[in-house]
Order: sequence, then C-alpha cells, then structure tokens
Amino acid sequence: GDSVTQMEGPVTLSEEAFLTINCTYTATGYPSLFWYVQYPGEGLQLLLKATKADDKGSNKGFEATYRKETTSFHLEKGSVQVSDSAVYFCALISGGGADGLTFGKGTHLIIQP
Amino acid sequence: ETGVTQTPRHLVMGMTNKKSLKCEQHLGHNAMYWYKQSAKKPLELMFVYSLEERVENNSVPSRFSPECPNSSHLFLHLHTLQPEDSALYLCASSQAVSGVTYEQYFGPGTRLTVT
Repeated sequence: GDSVTQMEGPVTLSEEAFLTINCTYTATGYPSLFWYVQYPGEGLQLLLKATKADDKGSNKGFEATYRKETTSFHLEKGSVQVSDSAVYFCALISGGGADGLTFGKGTHLIIQP
Repeated sequence: ETGVTQTPRHLVMGMTNKKSLKCEQHLGHNAMYWYKQSAKKPLELMFVYSLEERVENNSVPSRFSPECPNSSHLFLHLHTLQPEDSALYLCASSQAVSGVTYEQYFGPGTRLTVT
C-alpha cells in the first residue's frame, strides 16, 4: 500500500534559519503530493501541492519539488518566523476522484525568537 | 459561514452514550471525508462519500456510523465507544472527478474524549 515517511521532530530552529523537512513516499501509480500545516487547536490547512514530476509547489515562502527519481517531496523555507511554529504533514493521493489522503506522521516545528 | 465547519468542537461522552458529530461544507464540493487523528499515529482515513454515496469504509468498527444526507452535510454517529476512540475527528471535502486529483479542505475538527 501507499505510505509517507517524514522526520517527526520536534525540529527546533531559531528565527530566520533555513528550514528543510524531509518527506519520502511509496505509492502505486503516479501520486499527487501535498503539504498540510496544523496550528495548535486547529484543523489542517493546505500549504502547497504538486501533481507531476518536477512540479514545484510554493506558498507563503515555503517550497517543495516533486522528485520522482528519489520519490521525495521535501519542504523548504529560506527564513522561518516564530509564526511558522506548527505541525507539518506530508501527504499523497494515488488515484483521482474521491480518494483519501495518505499522511505521514507529522513534523512538529518550533521556531524560537 | 465559509469553508468547512464542524460541531461540536469538543465532546465528552461516556462509553454508553450516543452522540453525533456534524460537518458542513460551503465550498460546493461533491465529496466528503472523515479522518481520525490520534496521538502518536498518522491521520487515518475512516469514510469517503462521493455524490452522497459511501465509496470507502476503511475497516472502521461498526460503533462509528456515517451519514451523508446531501452533498453539503456529513454526520458521524457514535455509540458504545471505547476510551481508545478518544481523538480529534476531522472532516474534509473536495471536488471529485474520476481520474483528476483535487485538494481536500479540512474543518477545525471535533476533539472527542470517551470516559
């Protein structure tokens, strides 16, 4: 079956540091890839997505590139802020239509001032 | 209201109670989902409805019973739950077109505690 592996953390960084959260996947077919973010006490918000190889998703200074050869979708940001503290989930959908998301376990990110 | 809403936000129930969780989406989508988020486990898909028909039941115990009366509303009826069912229950919605992947939008969740 499909699976997503990501570093669990917590990952603690200082403000303005460079962020990388690794995500690798196994899937049948050609999945679409997503990053979601969950702030304390809230549901999940879509951060960015990519639907085919070499696509780069970007939003709010975050970026991730769909790498089919390494089955990866690493999340990066050049300069993090305290407000970026949250839990980040990598996820995929293998089929189209009404397929459910397969999630990684989530990475807790803590940014210190 | 915009997006996906869920009520109640918090629920405490005994093992013999019956309660229901409600989800409503205001996005014009035709598919809705229930997910369970437990501590230290990945988010788990529970049920999928597309065009008000259940298309997936991910081996969920029968003490959880979903209902989708129309494309905007989704319920999760709960009865005789166990303490290990305590979790955050998340509802999501999306467009669903065969062969095309659309992103899912999530509600804020219902924090359920079973005592």
